[in-house]
This record gives sequence, structure tokens and C-alpha cells, in this order.
Amino acid sequence: DVKVTQSSRYLVKRTGEKVFLECVQDMDHENMFWYRQDPGLGLRLIYFSYDVKMKEKGDIPEGYSVSREKKERFSLILESASTNQTSMYLCASSRGGASAGELFFGEGSRLTVL
Amino acid sequence: AQTVTQSQPEMSVQEAETVTLSCTYDTSENNYYLFWYKQPPSRQMILVIRQEAYKQQNATENRFSVNFQKAAKSFSLKISDSQLGDTAMYFCAVISNFGNEKLTFGTGTRLTIIP
Repeated sequence: DVKVTQSSRYLVKRTGEKVFLECVQDMDHENMFWYRQDPGLGLRLIYFSYDVKMKEKGDIPEGYSVSREKKERFSLILESASTNQTSMYLCASSRGGASAGELFFGEGSRLTVL
Repeated sequence: AQTVTQSQPEMSVQEAETVTLSCTYDTSENNYYLFWYKQPPSRQMILVIRQEAYKQQNATENRFSVNFQKAAKSFSLKISDSQLGDTAMYFCAVISNFGNEKLTFGTGTRLTIIP
């Protein structure tokens, strides 16, 4: 069974804390993505990576950073969490080329910032 | 830039009926792919169906089919013989510009199948 695994399903953090969200995929996919999902706004792309050590800003990168040191792992970092970052975070991966839109998703990480 | 619009935030239908979810999109590219994704309650999102823009034939996957109207930039999803397990959020998405491979999603339609 192919899998995208997110390290935490639920997190509660305080304003100003540093937050790490980890994502691992076992499909040898080139592309990895971090999305944020909010009611009425759909999925918004935060960052994506198409290769190890490569990263590209998505539509809402402010307040976030990412790291991809190994092909299978893509981490999302909130340097100083704020209440407006309370959300569901979805990690996904895909192959490159014509299959780039066929995303495999993790179960999501619901972050609450108090 | 590419955009996706889903104008139906919520829909409901009786079990065994047919339902159509609407989606319109915009892209300046000629080569693009369209997708419908399904997110069941508290479960992970999965791909339902995809359509290549250069193919005139509408894609089908079992009870799921699309109505792709390229000139109108419309991409609706039809679910036939709806089942309780079809209850989910459905997201339409488009990808183009394959040198910068990122998918753009719509805001979603929450579909409820009523027993």
C-alpha cells in the first residue's frame, strides 16, 4: 500500500512557538507539496519541492519555511506560530511530468495555535 | 495563472440518485489536465478522475464521469447511482505549465448522500 504519512494528526501550540510538521512518502515521488485547507477557501499551496534540496514558494508562503534533505521527507516549519495559522495542513506527493497532478495525500495535521 | 471555481458550496441528494457537481476553470495554456478529488469525512483525499485537455472523449471511472466542455472551460462531475460512501468534499483542480508543476484547487463542494 503506497503511503504518505504525516507525523501528527493533531497539534496544539502556543503563539510564538516553533512548529515542525513532518511528511514522509514511500513511493519515490519527485514532487512533494504542503497545502493548507480552510473552510470556504479550499486548498492553498504553501510550498512545493520537485527535487531534494529544491523548494518553490506556493501561493501563501509567508510565515512558513520548508526543508527537503531527503527525497522521501518534506518538512513544513512555522518559525513563530500565530493564531491565524490555525488550520488543517495537508502533505501530498506526485511523480513528475504528465503525472504531476495525480497527488497522493496524507491524512492531514490539524494545528491549533492558542 | 490558473483558477478554478466551484459555485456550489453544498449539495445533497437521495441515495441511488444521480448528482452533478459543477466546476469552471481558467488557464492560458493549451496543454493541461483536470481532476476531481474526493475527501471523505476525517479521511484522506483521493483522486477520483482525471481528464486530459487534448482528449475529446469524456473520462469515466465506474459510477463517476465528467462532462468536459473545453470551449466553455467547464468540467463537471456526474455521480450515478449515488451511495452513502460518496458523502465527501469534492475538489476540482487543474494543472498546466508542466515546467512548474503545481495543482490549483477550487474551494470544494460538500456533498451529502441522504439514506
